[in-house]
Amino acid sequence: GQQVMQIPQYQHVQEGEDFTTYCNSSTTLSNIQWYKQRPGGHPVFLIQLVKSGEVKKQKRLTFQFGEAKKNSSLHITATQTTDVGTYFCAGPPLRSTLGRLYFGRGTQLTVWP
Amino acid sequence: EADIYQTPRYLVIGTGKKITLECSQTMGHDKMYWYQQDPGMELHLIHYSYGVNSTEKGDLSSESTVSRIRTEHFPLTLESARPSHTSQYLCASGPRARVRTGELFFGEGSRLTVL
Repeated sequence: GQQVMQIPQYQHVQEGEDFTTYCNSSTTLSNIQWYKQRPGGHPVFLIQLVKSGEVKKQKRLTFQFGEAKKNSSLHITATQTTDVGTYFCAGPPLRSTLGRLYFGRGTQLTVWP
Repeated sequence: EADIYQTPRYLVIGTGKKITLECSQTMGHDKMYWYQQDPGMELHLIHYSYGVNSTEKGDLSSESTVSRIRTEHFPLTLESARPSHTSQYLCASGPRARVRTGELFFGEGSRLTVL
């Protein structure tokens, strides 16, 4: 069945260090979405990538969608304490008629001041 | 700001009780979802719906049922609560999008404790 794997599960960094989380799907995706969940909060949509090889930036965050549309990454430059939370990737399989989203397990980011 | 609401936010209940978690959205979204999540852990899809009178079981339908009689309302019912049901339940909704799937808007969650 469809699987979306995300690594690492946990990441602890010193404030100012960079951070990257990787997402890999067992099948080709129609698009990839990224969500952030602060501790005690609910997931909040960050961005959606649709095109093969697409790269998008939001300030210190860089999102990439692989050429084969099966993998993606989120890179944060110079982390800040406000970046703390769990980052989830999610996507619908390309051949899915209903477009159900499959979520990765998430990467929990801790930033030490 | 997303307009999706969940009640109750917190609930402590005894084993064997029947409970209903409410979820309403005012955005006219066709798609609605229920997820179960332990703190900081992965999201488990319980049930989903793509429109009125349409419901599907997810990966973790675990003794629960849903209904979708109105577009804006998607309640989740546990017929007989057990301690293993202790978790956070997140409701989400999303529009019918041109590009197969649009973003999801999540409610603030219902944190359930079963004693």
